Amino acid sequence: GDSVTQTEGPVTVSESESLIINCTYSATSIAYPNLFWYVRYPGEGLQLLLKVITAGQKGSSRGFEATYNKETTSFHLQKASVQESDSAVYYCALGDTNAYKVIFGKGTHLHVLP
Amino acid sequence: GPKVLQIPSHQIIDMGQMVTLNCDPVSNHLYFYWYKQILGQQMEFLVNFYNGKVMEKSKLFKDQFSVERPDGSYFTLKIQPTALEDSAVYFCASSYRGNTLYFGAGTRLSVL
Repeated sequence: GDSVTQTEGPVTVSESESLIINCTYSATSIAYPNLFWYVRYPGEGLQLLLKVITAGQKGSSRGFEATYNKETTSFHLQKASVQESDSAVYYCALGDTNAYKVIFGKGTHLHVLP
Repeated sequence: GPKVLQIPSHQIIDMGQMVTLNCDPVSNHLYFYWYKQILGQQMEFLVNFYNGKVMEKSKLFKDQFSVERPDGSYFTLKIQPTALEDSAVYFCASSYRGNTLYFGAGTRLSVL
């Protein structure tokens, strides 16, 4: 079936360190999967961080980047230098082009130490 | 950015009673969704809704569940009757088209 697997948290890093949160997907029923990273800050709803709909492309937002790699079925989230305000739960997600369904990973809780 | 509002943020109800969770989606959006997340577990797709109809539902969307959006108002999830295993956080989302979903902050449902 369709599924998303991501780094199990919590992940703790110090401010200004680099970050990578791994995400791999399986899209057996979706011909052209679209990939997303969503983020939930404390006390807020889930919000889109970045999305990529074409294999081989890179998405970026707020210093975060992720590249859609069809060969390795991966969409890892990276940031060169994290800030304390990046502390949140990050969700990798997989969807189809018609948005009938979006499948989420379990989420990775990121703690950034000052 | 666009906001999806969920009311209330927490609801406590006795097992067997009916509950309605309300969602105020982004005003021009066309697709509506409910997701369920049990504490410590994955956020799971329940149902999506478009043009007045359920498009797709998962195995978690039991017969006791129903959704509607009468007259373009709130998008609601009704559970009748409730069971203990319905305790979870329910997230509403909406989308105009394409696949960028906007989520509410969730309603925590506690079934006693």
